[in-house]
Amino acid sequence: AQTVTQSQPEMSVQEAETVTLSCTYDTSESDYYLFWYKQPPSRQMILVIRQEAYKQQNATENRFSVNFQKAAKSFSLKISDSQLGDAAMYFCAYRTTPQGGSEKLVFGKGTKLTVNP
Amino acid sequence: NAGVTQTPKFQVLKTGQSMTLQCAQDMNHEYMSWYRQDPGMGLRLIHYSVGAGITDQGEVPNGYNVSRSTTEDFPLRLLSAAPSQTSVYFCASSYRTGGRGYTFGSGTRLTVV
Repeated sequence: AQTVTQSQPEMSVQEAETVTLSCTYDTSESDYYLFWYKQPPSRQMILVIRQEAYKQQNATENRFSVNFQKAAKSFSLKISDSQLGDAAMYFCAYRTTPQGGSEKLVFGKGTKLTVNP
Repeated sequence: NAGVTQTPKFQVLKTGQSMTLQCAQDMNHEYMSWYRQDPGMGLRLIHYSVGAGITDQGEVPNGYNVSRSTTEDFPLRLLSAAPSQTSVYFCASSYRTGGRGYTFGSGTRLTVV
């Protein structure tokens, strides 16, 4: 079974600085998708960025980028120029493929990010 | 452009009561699912559906039932509420192919006393 591990329960960063959130996963599949979701205090789950495992190029979305290391099964999120609005819970998630029937998102336990002014 | 709509947003139940959490999406997504979120546990899959008439169990299905009579709706039924079911519940939907992320509803905070 696939597992996702976020080793940092909490992180903090100064406004305008850069922070990296760690995520590792375990799978025997070769084709899959990885995601980072943001959950602010409003409770809404917001998709931040996604990565397709067959693409070697790291995904970027404005100030958010990932470092995807497929062999190491690592998928870290870098937030540049941190803003107060980035403060939230961040979840790493792995999407299993439809083959085999049991399709789902597997989540890590989350990292709480605090942004200090 | 409603996306995924969950109702209610908050609910308090007494132990033993039953209720249905509603979920509807207007994006023609084949895949729909229910997750529960508990402190320090991330989100865990309860049940999911890959299309109308097809449902299957996730990681924590006990005490919950689902059905999928239409593409749009995927209600979650609590048969006999227990305090252990106090949680935040999320409905999510997606296309089956293409690896796009799931779209989540705004969640239901359920308290069982």
